[in-house]
Amino acid sequence: NAGVTQTPKFQVLKTGQSMTLQCAQDMNHNSMYWYRQDPGMGLRLIYYSASEGTTDKGEVPNGYNVSRLNKREFSLRLESAAPSQTSVYFCASSAGDYTDTQYFGPGTRLTVL
Amino acid sequence: GENVEQHPSTLSVQEGDSAVIKCTYSDSASNYFPWYKQELGKGPQLIIDIRSNVGEKKDQRIAVTLNKTAKHFSLHITETQPEDSAVYFCAAERIQGAQKLVFGQGTRLTINP
Repeated sequence: NAGVTQTPKFQVLKTGQSMTLQCAQDMNHNSMYWYRQDPGMGLRLIYYSASEGTTDKGEVPNGYNVSRLNKREFSLRLESAAPSQTSVYFCASSAGDYTDTQYFGPGTRLTVL
Repeated sequence: GENVEQHPSTLSVQEGDSAVIKCTYSDSASNYFPWYKQELGKGPQLIIDIRSNVGEKKDQRIAVTLNKTAKHFSLHITETQPEDSAVYFCAAERIQGAQKLVFGQGTRLTINP
């Protein structure tokens, strides 16, 4: 099992460009999450999906959109990137809700110039 | 909303000594408290968790203690080894709000040989 995979690992964008971060899990998990990690701060939830076909806003959703394409895949889209979105992005999944173990991907380091 | 404060932000110990990381939380309704370890260049990984119906939980060299009255919980690592060097995050459940699991700011633990 690969667990949770994310692509790309690194990305540099110019302000105003768009991109999609891809995430897939092969553990048949119901819930999937997108977090951002900034220096000196805890992981902050951007969006989550409790099941296929549903998505909900997290703590910091502005500037992002998500798609739960199927049970395996959960993508995060930046429509018009801003320097404030420079961060490391992690996708995670869990079998049940947030009190189940969350399995994290390796992360995407995004820089917006 | 839930605030999770984690201390210290950095910790350096000699190999073989013990390390203790402490977190405080504000939501008295919180019942779930996981700890994650993040190695360099990787995503966080759950190492131990505790629920409010117990005061302590151990797993080999790792233990977590919970004081619900004082609203704090701690991670204890005994007989530290070089591979324990990493960033550790605590988290606490938040009943209200968009992010149901709130993370602390992280502790960078360095084990000196």
